[in-house]
Amino acid sequence: EVQLVESGGGFVQPGGSLRLSCAASEFTFTNYEMNWVRQAPGKGLEWVSYISTGGRTIYYADSVKGRFTISRDNAKNSLYLQMNSLRAEDTAVYYCARETIFFYMDVWGKGTTVIVSS
Amino acid sequence: DIVMTQTPLSSPVTLGQPASISCRSSQSLVHSDGNTYLSWLQQRPGQPPRLLIYKISNRFSGVPDRFSGSGAGTDFTLKISRVEAEDVGVYYCMQGTQFPHTFGQGTKLDIK
Repeated sequence: EVQLVESGGGFVQPGGSLRLSCAASEFTFTNYEMNWVRQAPGKGLEWVSYISTGGRTIYYADSVKGRFTISRDNAKNSLYLQMNSLRAEDTAVYYCARETIFFYMDVWGKGTTVIVSS
Repeated sequence: DIVMTQTPLSSPVTLGQPASISCRSSQSLVHSDGNTYLSWLQQRPGQPPRLLIYKISNRFSGVPDRFSGSGAGTDFTLKISRVEAEDVGVYYCMQGTQFPHTFGQGTKLDIK
């Protein structure tokens, strides 16, 4: 079964850091662009970041630019999100999502929860 | 950034009756390649999002045919021909035509 499994979420104080991981299985990871999308408690979906198949093209939402870094390791079938200088407003469930060549996200993980609080 | 606006934000419906959700973009979603990258996702309570429709009107694998998408340019619609209990949740439109990808605010569908 095609699957994405996120990990690395947790409780962190404002200004702290976390590194999220997303493990892909049962598909050729190198063939797909990947995204991080987050959802604050009780709120809608917010796109966070995108990375191309080879990692050369990267985009970020303005809300995280300069603080978050997306990366991937195709040899390990894994996607990452390094989150620094965390703020309370970064509190959310973070999903990784596979993107196809037609710019839609067809496979989503179950998410990992990040709570930023003092 | 392209702003996606959904209406209504809440839609109570009767089982077996149709439902319709509108999504309007602040600018045309026609890509330079001629395609329009508008998709619809469903999020059931406590679940991650699930892709329903891509490129305006293409049903994703396994999606029941009671779901349909239509529209062009800046105006798009998701229709459910006969609502079933399992359709309860929040529905989002999303544009992939340009970065940043943006989502609508979500429309909550529940049963009257």
